[in-house]
Amino acid sequence: SQKIEQNSEALNIQEGKTATLTCNYTNYSPAYLQWYRQDPGRGPVFLLLIRENEKEKRKERLKVTFDTTLKQSLFHITASQPADSATYLCASSTDSWGKLQFGAGTQVVVTP
Amino acid sequence: DGGITQSPKYLFRKEGQNVTLSCEQNLNHDAMYWYRQDPGQGLRLIYYSQIVNDFQKGDIAEGYSVSREKKESFPLTVTSAQKNPTAFYLCASTEQPGLAGREQFFGPGTRLTVL
Repeated sequence: SQKIEQNSEALNIQEGKTATLTCNYTNYSPAYLQWYRQDPGRGPVFLLLIRENEKEKRKERLKVTFDTTLKQSLFHITASQPADSATYLCASSTDSWGKLQFGAGTQVVVTP
Repeated sequence: DGGITQSPKYLFRKEGQNVTLSCEQNLNHDAMYWYRQDPGQGLRLIYYSQIVNDFQKGDIAEGYSVSREKKESFPLTVTSAQKNPTAFYLCASTEQPGLAGREQFFGPGTRLTVL
C-alpha cells in the first residue's frame, strides 16, 4: 500500500540553527509533495509545493527538496526562530481528485 | 475575509447520539474534504466532494455521512455507528484539483469528545 512517513520524534533545535525534516514515501510515485504547518489545536496551513520535476523550492527561510531516486523530500528551516515551533506535515497525491495522503507530522521545537 | 469556518469549536456527544459538524467556505472552491486527526497520526480522509450533489467515501467513511447541497457547505454527521468518534475533525477545500496539485485550505477544526 502507498505510505508516506515522517520522523515521529520531535526535533529540538536552538534558535538560529537549521532544522531539517524528512518525508519518505513508498510504493508509489507522487507527482508532487506538499508541506504544511500546524499549530496546536488549529488547522494546517499550506507552506510549499514541489513537483516531481523540481529538485528544490524556496520560500523565504524555507527550502524543500524532492529526490525521486531516494523517494524522499527534505524540508529545511534556516535561521530558525522560536515562532517556527510547530508540527510540520508532508502530503502527497497521485490522483486527479486531489486527495492528499498525509504523514503523521514532525514536531519542531526551537529554543532561544 | 475569504476562508473556511467550522462550528462548533468544541462538541460533546453522549454515546448513541448523532451529531453534525458544520463546514462553510466562501472561497468559491469546487472541492471539499473532511479529515479526522488523532494524536500521533496523520490526517485521515473521511469523505470528499468534487461538485455539488456528489461526494465520495474516503479511507475511513464508516460511521459518518455527508451532504453537499450547496457549493459552499459540506456538513459532516458523526453517527452512533462510529465506534470511536473522539477526535479532531478538519474540513478543507481546494480549487478544481488536478495532477498539478492544488493547496488545500483548512478550517480551524472541531474537537469532538464522546462522554
